[in-house]
Formats: sequence, structure tokens, C-alpha cells
Amino acid sequence: GAVVSQHPSRVICKSGTSVKIECRSLDFQATTMFWYRQFPKKSLMLMATSNEGSKATYEQGVEKDKFLINHASLTLSTLTVTSAHPEDSSFYICSASLLMVEQFFGPGTRLTVL
Amino acid sequence: TQLLEQSPQFLSIQEGENLTVYCNSSSVFSSLQWYRQEPGEGPVLLVTVVTGGEVKKLKRLTFQFGDARKDSSLHITAAQPGDTGLYLCAGGKGTASKLTFGTGTRLQVTL
Repeated sequence: GAVVSQHPSRVICKSGTSVKIECRSLDFQATTMFWYRQFPKKSLMLMATSNEGSKATYEQGVEKDKFLINHASLTLSTLTVTSAHPEDSSFYICSASLLMVEQFFGPGTRLTVL
Repeated sequence: TQLLEQSPQFLSIQEGENLTVYCNSSSVFSSLQWYRQEPGEGPVLLVTVVTGGEVKKLKRLTFQFGDARKDSSLHITAAQPGDTGLYLCAGGKGTASKLTFGTGTRLQVTL
């Protein structure tokens, strides 16, 4: 149980384009999903908290117009990186919260912006 | 900013050795979780501890939550190459479920 999927697993895009990443909880309903960014050999940095049916809460320093988050259902949240630039290249990981204590993580999406 | 400092940052040991990873903070957490992450994958939850002084064992892994719920440790007995990975502690507060992640410990176990 508690399986979270992400799609795509890898994406390469040109500078200036937008990229959408999906996060799905496959076998449970998650009222809260989280989006993280991870730089090489570093820990996870929380970008935003996404609650179903409401606006996401962004961490300090994260541009909400740059990283658009939509949480339309209890099993799906999406992160759209708008007007991507090479510095947005990173490993993006989502997680879904179960019972408000534990988080279960997706496999991550490797974004490369050329 | 709540910080969870892990030590050591990097550890390279041979198969069969024992090791301990520490996770320390000046903040009190209601729960503490440990994850292991392999390159190119998401973190996998190993354990959650919620009670000060709690000790949990998972085969060769022993997790301890400090009495004051500010620190935690992970002890691995007789390490194996399959234990190689990035170990992350993460602290949670209340029912918000938002986690603060530690700085990470990269473990390499060689034959």
C-alpha cells in the first residue's frame, strides 16, 4: 500500500517552455501532497504544500508564478514549471500524506532544461 | 528555520562493520522519520518514531528517538552493500504533517 507515482520520470525541454509533472497516490486518498526539489547529493527542499481544492502554500523563496501547483482531486497534484530555464534543472519529488503523520514519496522527475 | 543536522555527512565502510548516523536539532518534533534514498529514486520510509526515548528495530537497523524529542539516531549492524544510499531524517510537528528534512548522510558500503 501507500504507492505514489510520478510522471514523467525524465523530461528534457528547451528554455522558455513549460513542463507539467504529475503526482498520483495510487491506493489511497491524500488530502495533502508536497512538492520538493533536490539538488545533486543534497537533501530535499520543500517547495510547497498542496491541499485538495485549495491554493497551494509556498515556502519562502519559491516563486508561485514560476511553479504552478494544482491539486484537483484527492489522488492527483500537478506541478507546472513555467518558462523553464537551465537553473530550473533539478530532481523534483512529490509526496502524499497519509494520516497526517507519514509521507510517502514518488520516484521523482528529473528535469533538464537546455 | 528549523534545522536538522545529520552527522556524518558521508561514511564509507566495509561490509560487516557497524555504524551510527545522528540527527540533531534544537527544536522539538512530535515525530521523527528516517528515509533511505537511492540515486534517481524517491526516498523510502524506513521508520517513524513518535515517543521520546522510543527504540525501534528493523532487522539490522535500530532507531532511537531522544528523550526530549530533539534528536534521533540510526544504528546499522553488520552493514551490507545493499545498505548503500542517502539516509535522511525528517521531523514533523503536530498534525500539519509538513516535514523538515535533515542534511543527509551518504553511506557507501563496500565489499
